[in-house]
Amino acid sequence: GAGVSQTPSNKVTEKGKYVELRCDPISGHTALYWYRQSLGQGPEFLIYFQGTGAADDSGLPNDRFFAVRPEGSVSTLKIQRTERGDSAVYLCASSYLGPTDTQYFGPGTRLTVL
Amino acid sequence: AQTVTQSQPEMSVQEAETVTLSCTYDTSESDYYLFWYKQPPSRQMILVIRQEAYKQQNATENRFSVNFQKAAKSFSLKISDSQLGDAAMYFCAYRRPNTGNQFYFGTGTSLTVIP
Repeated sequence: GAGVSQTPSNKVTEKGKYVELRCDPISGHTALYWYRQSLGQGPEFLIYFQGTGAADDSGLPNDRFFAVRPEGSVSTLKIQRTERGDSAVYLCASSYLGPTDTQYFGPGTRLTVL
Repeated sequence: AQTVTQSQPEMSVQEAETVTLSCTYDTSESDYYLFWYKQPPSRQMILVIRQEAYKQQNATENRFSVNFQKAAKSFSLKISDSQLGDAAMYFCAYRRPNTGNQFYFGTGTSLTVIP
């Protein structure tokens, strides 16, 4: 079946603007994760959804970052008052929920804040 | 906190040869999972191989195998008969089950395959 998709693939915005990044998980996957990957680094965990609720948002760097998953499928990561330091690739992953379940990643959204 | 260390920022291998990528991790847990992911320039993270910590047998997937040393907290990836398509960034990742299942990633190793 279809994999995890993310839109847009690239987003350029100006400092101070608001952006939304979208993730469409694999159908039937109950768990959804957002990661941020800065240049030359591995992905860093931001937030994890189980169904509609955020089960762990401990990775969100500050209150400018927020994510929702209102129907337990598509998720949107929202960043307010963007800063140049927010520039990174934002990766989404989904999985069934279980101790052996593998996370499948989308291609990411490259966010550039000018 | 869990940390994952990949001490080789870059590696190269001749086509058809074998290469080993290193990974160490720090944890106080006894039950966890380890992964190797491949990230080509397309940015898509692709699962290469997975190892459950409670299994003593090293995981193998075709040309890819791991050397899992639990006591040493080491999890290296061996790629045999390297192919041009293996060129990518490789990330080692740790996951502790039943606590959100989030991954902790290393900083990656860039693998170049020389024709």
